[in-house]
Formats: sequence, C-alpha cells, structure tokens
Amino acid sequence: EAGVTQSPTHLIKTRGQQATLRCSPISGHTSVYWYQQALGLGLQFLLWYDEGEERNRGNFPPRFSGRQFPNYSSELNVNALELEDSALYLCASSLGARTNYGYTFGSGTRLTVV
Amino acid sequence: QKEVEQNSGPLSVPEGAIASLNCTYSDRVSQSFFWYRQYSGKSPELIMSIYSNGDKEDGRFTAQLNKASQYVSLLIRDSQPSDSATYLCAVIGGFGNNRLAFGKGNQVVVIP
Repeated sequence: EAGVTQSPTHLIKTRGQQATLRCSPISGHTSVYWYQQALGLGLQFLLWYDEGEERNRGNFPPRFSGRQFPNYSSELNVNALELEDSALYLCASSLGARTNYGYTFGSGTRLTVV
Repeated sequence: QKEVEQNSGPLSVPEGAIASLNCTYSDRVSQSFFWYRQYSGKSPELIMSIYSNGDKEDGRFTAQLNKASQYVSLLIRDSQPSDSATYLCAVIGGFGNNRLAFGKGNQVVVIP
C-alpha cells in the first residue's frame, strides 16, 4: 500500500512569491491534514480537509489556503511568501472525520524562502 | 495553557537503560493519545497509540494513560542508539474536534 506522498520534496522561493505544495493521501483515506514545522518548533496545525471541505483551520493568516480534490488529494497554497514561512510542511491522512486513529504522515516538503 | 505540553529538556540515557517521557494535555474530554518518533530531517512516525486508562505495551515501548490526571507517558526499555530521536506526544481533542494536537517534543539521546 502506497503511503502519503508529497511533492515537491524541496522548494525554494523568493519572498513575495507563491508556493504550491501537493499531497496524495493513502488510498481510502478521506481526511487530509497540513502541518508546519519550523526549525526548532513543534508541529503547528494548518488545515484539515475532509470529503472536499475545509473542516478546521489553525491560527495562520489567510495567505495560507488550500483545497481538496474529488480524489481526496490536496494542495496547500502559500501566497506572499515571507522569510518566516521557511519550514517543513507535512501532510497527513486518516480514514475520515470520525476516526480516532493516528495519522500517517508524508515525507514532507521543505520550503525555503530567500 | 497549551493543548499538549512536554516540558522536559533533552534526555540522555545510556544504552540498555530505560527512557521515560511525560506529557500532559488540557482538553479533559480528549479521546485518543499517541506517541510519534521523529528522526532529524524526517517526518513523524507513529509508534504507540492508547485510548483507555492503564498501560499498553508494544515491544520495548510502554505507553501509560491517566485521564484523571490528564497525563500520558512513554517508557522505552533497553534503549538502543537507534532510539535517538525526538518523541512527540499527540492528542485528538474532544468530540467534534478531530485534529491532532502535538507537543513540542522531547529529544532522546542514547549513549552507547
């Protein structure tokens, strides 16, 4: 069974540009979660999508947005990039909104803003 | 008050010893509790889950849950150098809040 896949692995952008990160969940999983892990900090919850809808949002500005497609894959968009957006962005998936099971994480996208 | 707190600093243990990690959470109606291991530069890997009070053992790992005290712990027995990593405590909140909240993590260094 394929795990959670994220692309690209690394992304270098200039301040002010936009970044798009992609995630494909495990087959059968309908929920996708996005987390930011800046250097030395814990995992900060960004967004949760389930069945194509945004279910919950963390304490991040509106320039962080995303969507979930009919095949349950998801993309995270970060507009007007700032230097402090440099971080590891992790996507995770789970069976659905009512699951109590832990998430499975992808290998992440390392975003560097210069 | 943070949702999930892991307050201990880096933990150094000799090879073969027991490493003990602690975590507290703020949402009294939390239902599900997890420990993740994260190697430097890698993504978190689920190593333990626990849902009811008491102990749960899986190989060299034991998770302990005390809902009355809102406390979760992880014991690593016979620690190996390959256990050197950051361990993250994570909690799924009360009913209707399905997102996983993480603590900041505890770094464990196993000294050969």
